[in-house]
Amino acid sequence: KQEVTQIPAALSVPEGENLVLNCSFTDSAIYNLQWFRQDPGKGLTSLLLIQSSQREQTSGRLNASLDKSSGRSTLYIAASQPGDSATYLCAVEDWGRKLIWGLGTSLGVNP
Amino acid sequence: DAGVIQSPRHEVTEMGQEVTLRCKPISGHNSLFWYRQTMMRGLELLIYFNNNVPIDDSGMPEDRFSAKMPNASFSTLKIQPSEPRDSAVYFCASSPRTGSNEQFFGPGTRLTVL
Repeated sequence: KQEVTQIPAALSVPEGENLVLNCSFTDSAIYNLQWFRQDPGKGLTSLLLIQSSQREQTSGRLNASLDKSSGRSTLYIAASQPGDSATYLCAVEDWGRKLIWGLGTSLGVNP
Repeated sequence: DAGVIQSPRHEVTEMGQEVTLRCKPISGHNSLFWYRQTMMRGLELLIYFNNNVPIDDSGMPEDRFSAKMPNASFSTLKIQPSEPRDSAVYFCASSPRTGSNEQFFGPGTRLTVL
């Protein structure tokens, strides 16, 4: 059974710092891996989607990597800003086309 | 496009009452997903539909939960009778199902069962 773990559960950094969020999964047979952002009281916004054949994806200050063999993904945020404060969720899509979710990392960026 | 629309945004009810959550997916999307989010368990997929047909309902916790999608623009998730442990945020998401499976989420319904 696929399990997704995110470490750390919470992180607080000063503005401007580069940071890395971690996601690990137990079964490497995935269709893709996705990173989402969730703001308090709101829905989820898709940030990056990495297909199983890809190694990384970039969007602006965000870069996500995927290493299927080791069951790991990282989300790198460059030059963090207070507006980046949110919960970041990692999800893997299995070949049944279902998303299995981590519990998220709550990020606070302090001005 | 208005995105995925869910109603109500908040629902407070008493144990034993029937609760109906509603979702309007993004026009043109042919897959719809219902999720439940709690602090302890995170996000869990309850059921998903493809072209209005339920494909996988293995996440529906009990027979008290049922979901329907009578047409491409509307879905309901019903809990009858509701229990305090059903308190959670319920999200609906839709996907175009073309190539990558990017899902677009609604704002959620926060359900509190007293």
